[in-house]
Amino acid sequence: GENVEQHPSTLSVQEGDSAVIKCTYSDSASNYFPWYKQELGKRPQLIIDIRSNVGEKKDQRIAVTLNKTAKHFSLHITETQPEDSAVYFCAAIVGAGSYQLTFGKGTKLSVIP
Amino acid sequence: DTAVSQTPKYLVTQMGNDKSIKCEQNLGHDTMYWYKQDSKKFLKIMFSYNNKELIINETVPNRFSPKSPDKAHLNLHINSLELGDSAVYFCASSRGGIGGGYTFGSGTRLTVV
Repeated sequence: GENVEQHPSTLSVQEGDSAVIKCTYSDSASNYFPWYKQELGKRPQLIIDIRSNVGEKKDQRIAVTLNKTAKHFSLHITETQPEDSAVYFCAAIVGAGSYQLTFGKGTKLSVIP
Repeated sequence: DTAVSQTPKYLVTQMGNDKSIKCEQNLGHDTMYWYKQDSKKFLKIMFSYNNKELIINETVPNRFSPKSPDKAHLNLHINSLELGDSAVYFCASSRGGIGGGYTFGSGTRLTVV
């Protein structure tokens, strides 16, 4: 099955700096890569996603890049704010013909004011 | 107007009991899921279900069983609860097919004592 590795497990940045979270996946047939943000005590919420026919996608301060050859994708948050503090999860579809998401183990991002 | 709703939000019960968690979605999605989030925040797929197919993660004990009375509901029934079942359980739904973003419910915190 699919295996998704996520790094780092914790990340602290100063407010205004950028944050980068990286993920690798094992199944070359995977073609959908979403990112979720989970605030303390709340549900995971989709913040951005990318499909395998696209190399980069941006939404205001958030961007995701995908390198299919290397089987890795990254989340970039610029001009971080305290409200960006949360646990971020990357995910990938299990495999061709499937719709189950396998999640990475999460990155706890702390933005220091 | 909650898109994916779960009940109860909290559940405290004794070992050996049988309990159910209910999930309903009003998004018209075709596929529903149950995820378990342990104390380390790892999100692990338990089941996915649409009107055609039930996929069970092979690591899920057969004490756990999903029940779907219709497309908008996927309930989770747990028999003979064990201490290790304590976790937050999230229901989610997607429009199905490959690459559908998930919408999560607010979670049910299960504590087995």
